[in-house]
Amino acid sequence: NAGVTQTPKFRILKIGQSMTLQCAQDMNHNYMYWYRQDPGMGLKLIYYSVGAGITDKGEVPNGYNVSRSTTEDFPLRLELAAPSQTSVYFCASSSNRGGEQFFGPGTRLTVL
Amino acid sequence: KNEVEQSPQNLTAQEGEFITINCSYSVGISALHWLQQHPGGGIVSLFMLSSGKKKHGRLIATINIQEKHSSLHITASHPRDSAVYICAVSPNSGGSNYKLTFGKGTLLTVNP
Repeated sequence: NAGVTQTPKFRILKIGQSMTLQCAQDMNHNYMYWYRQDPGMGLKLIYYSVGAGITDKGEVPNGYNVSRSTTEDFPLRLELAAPSQTSVYFCASSSNRGGEQFFGPGTRLTVL
Repeated sequence: KNEVEQSPQNLTAQEGEFITINCSYSVGISALHWLQQHPGGGIVSLFMLSSGKKKHGRLIATINIQEKHSSLHITASHPRDSAVYICAVSPNSGGSNYKLTFGKGTLLTVNP
């Protein structure tokens, strides 16, 4: 099993550009999450999903959108990128409520 | 005030020393997680516990639910243990216990 995979690993965007961060898991987990990690700060939840077709906002959803059309995939869309979205983004999944979360390798995004 | 507080923020040790990292939280929880993140690397789950003590190799995690406190111990520390250790809790509130709240992490450096 590949676990949780994320692409790309690195990306530089210009202000105002858009992009999609891809996340996929092959563990048949219902729960999936997107986090951002800023220096000196704890991980912050952006969006989460409890199953295909069901998504909801986390702590810091502004400037982002998600979709969950399949159990495996949970892409994160950035519209009109801003320097404040410079961060490392992690996708994670878990099989049950409150259970162990499995993290992807992260995407380092810089917005200039 | 952050719901999850870790101490110390930074810790430097000599190889072979016994390490303790502390985590205090202010909300009712269904579980507490300890995670490890190597520099520039991904995040790995070490433990998930809701009571008592768990051991995996040289790592031991304990939790005291009444005192809202957990500790992560590393015995016979080694330079490869150098990483950021993150405490996270699944709050026991309104059915949202699948969303984790994270501490800011403890940066551990073990010198040879």
